[in-house]
Amino acid sequence: SAVISQKPSRDICQRGTSLTIQCQVDSQVTMMFWYRQQPGQSLTLIATANQGSEATYESGFVIDKFPISRPNLTFSTLTVSNMSPEDSSIYLCSVAGGRVETQYFGPGTRLLVL
Amino acid sequence: AQKVTQAQTEISVVEKEDVTLDCVYETRDTTYYLFWYKQPPSGELVFLIRRNSFDEQNEISGRYSWNFQKSTSSFNFTITTSQVVDSAVYFCALSEVVQGGSEKLVFGKGTKLTVNP
Repeated sequence: SAVISQKPSRDICQRGTSLTIQCQVDSQVTMMFWYRQQPGQSLTLIATANQGSEATYESGFVIDKFPISRPNLTFSTLTVSNMSPEDSSIYLCSVAGGRVETQYFGPGTRLLVL
Repeated sequence: AQKVTQAQTEISVVEKEDVTLDCVYETRDTTYYLFWYKQPPSGELVFLIRRNSFDEQNEISGRYSWNFQKSTSSFNFTITTSQVVDSAVYFCALSEVVQGGSEKLVFGKGTKLTVNP
């Protein structure tokens, strides 16, 4: 499976600021996704990051709050904008070799918003 | 809509005991995939297994085994001779084909397993 890295691994931010999380894969992948895991909860898909086009967002998530970029087949960023304490979560990217392939997850970014 | 239920929120066992984690799913799709992931305290999500809906054979991998039964919509996970390193949150997930033909994973709420020495 691909080696996936995320930066930063953790951060503490002030409310009202924005944080950009990077996801880097060591090989080209077809699919990249962004998930959120709120404290003690399960994972929820935020969006599918599409290479060269706008991301596909799930219900309840909007581009203004979570802008996503995917400039190539190995890299994606997720920005958490105008943060509030409710945004404190682990944010994970996942990748898959194809549309129906297994998703492998990055190590996650632990975000605490004060 | 797809749904995954992991009724056991937390399980605690003593080392060397066998333990089964339950997973029940709902889907209208005839073709789907089921997954188990492990999330140790460090936070990363580790892939354990993927099964497609047409393959009901049970699978064994070392101390891990999985029992897939379409008749009861269940995909249970058993750890035999548990070890302290098995302590983690285990998630069952179901794939759902969404807009554009890609797959979305629908996760259960997870079962926190604690293996005590």
